[in-house]
Amino acid sequence: AQKITQTQPGMFVQEKEAVTLDCTYDTSDQSYGLFWYKQPSSGEMIFLIYQGSYDEQNATEGRYSLNFQKARKSANLVISASQLGDSAMYFCAMREVNQAGTALIFGKGTTLSVSS
Amino acid sequence: GAVVSQHPSRVICKSGTSVKIECRSLDFQATTMFWYRQFPKKSLMLMATSNEGSKATYEQGVEKDKFLINHASLTLSTLTVTSAHPEDSSFYICSARSVVRGSYEQYFGPGTRLTVT
Repeated sequence: AQKITQTQPGMFVQEKEAVTLDCTYDTSDQSYGLFWYKQPSSGEMIFLIYQGSYDEQNATEGRYSLNFQKARKSANLVISASQLGDSAMYFCAMREVNQAGTALIFGKGTTLSVSS
Repeated sequence: GAVVSQHPSRVICKSGTSVKIECRSLDFQATTMFWYRQFPKKSLMLMATSNEGSKATYEQGVEKDKFLINHASLTLSTLTVTSAHPEDSSFYICSARSVVRGSYEQYFGPGTRLTVT
């Protein structure tokens, strides 16, 4: 069963506008962590933001904020004031306990295109 | 921030040969390293989790004998694709986790693009 669901294969936004990238997750653990990564065309994975399951406040990092709704099991990424350089693929990930310890499980990703 | 390097960044090899990819944590000690595989415009798929000094734990469907992982030190893990075939062509990304207590953040390498001809 898919544990991280990103339903938007692609999103388009104009410069300076805000955009929300959706992410829902499925877990029975009480303690878990949610991450967002950005992957530009170069391929590197860039860490954006982290939300712990016990964090009461939504995480924020500069123009990035995470809209964490625990009861709905959603962790949407909000990018404010979009810039051309934000065009990239965005992955939502969840920390999961596996046989070897913990690992990150990724969603399928959302391609964001920012136009001028 | 923490830095993870991968070498080589790109490699082209002939079918039937083996290729070794190195993943190094440059400024921290990593007890755990992860290997991911990514097809074009697709998600990262976890292949295996490697704990220093012990055998790697492979995800279901990943062939242990084909993808050999060695994590000999706290700063180095290697992935060897043995007897590579064109279907092994992919983008391979490693990540490393710090030993700092309570830290779950993974630091990713820049990736290695493997093309098997």
